[in-house]
Amino acid sequence: QVQLVQSGAEVKKPGASVKVSCKASGYTFTGYYMHWVRQAPGQGLEWMGRINPNSGGTNYAPKFQGRVTMTRDKSISTAYMELSRLRSDDTAVYSCARVVGDSNALDIWGQGTMVTVSS
Amino acid sequence: QSVLTQPPSASGTPGQRVTISCSGSSSNIGSNYVYWYQQLPGTAPKLLIYGNNQRPSGVPDRFSGSKSGTSASLAISGLRSEDEADYYCAAWDDSLSGVVFGGGTKLTVL
Repeated sequence: QVQLVQSGAEVKKPGASVKVSCKASGYTFTGYYMHWVRQAPGQGLEWMGRINPNSGGTNYAPKFQGRVTMTRDKSISTAYMELSRLRSDDTAVYSCARVVGDSNALDIWGQGTMVTVSS
Repeated sequence: QSVLTQPPSASGTPGQRVTISCSGSSSNIGSNYVYWYQQLPGTAPKLLIYGNNQRPSGVPDRFSGSKSGTSASLAISGLRSEDEADYYCAAWDDSLSGVVFGGGTKLTVL
């Protein structure tokens, strides 16, 4: 079945970086854009950006431009999201999500990765 | 401050019909498809509506979406207790070159 499995929870200090992985299975990894969305505790959904797994092309939300890097390794069907210069307000659940066809509708979600930023 | 505006809360009794609104602008809802997500407590969001009014396989026809100009709505008919969740609208924004979400609406089934 189609699924996205993310890496485990992380605890980081302010100023550090975190890299979250998202392994895809059950479909052709290079055929669908992968998006990253985060949700701070008790807050709403926030779009961070997307990557074209085939070309590696990316679009980042203006808020994260310069701090986020999305990459992929086609050989192991895995997408990555790295966020640098972490602050306490980056504490959130980070999720990868696959689109429906060539739309921006996100139909398959990873289980989420909790990233805690604390000194 | 979310780019798309939703009411923070909505409520209804079992069997009732409720609607949740989502207001945007010409750069997002006005020129692109609207999506709706349901998020049950402690779980990942679930796609409810795509392409303004299309339901993915498995989503009951009690859920329907519509769009008019720069606003969209999600309607839930025959309300059930299991519909109690957070609901988010989303759309691509041409000015931001990215997806924008509404702030979410917490639906309570009384």
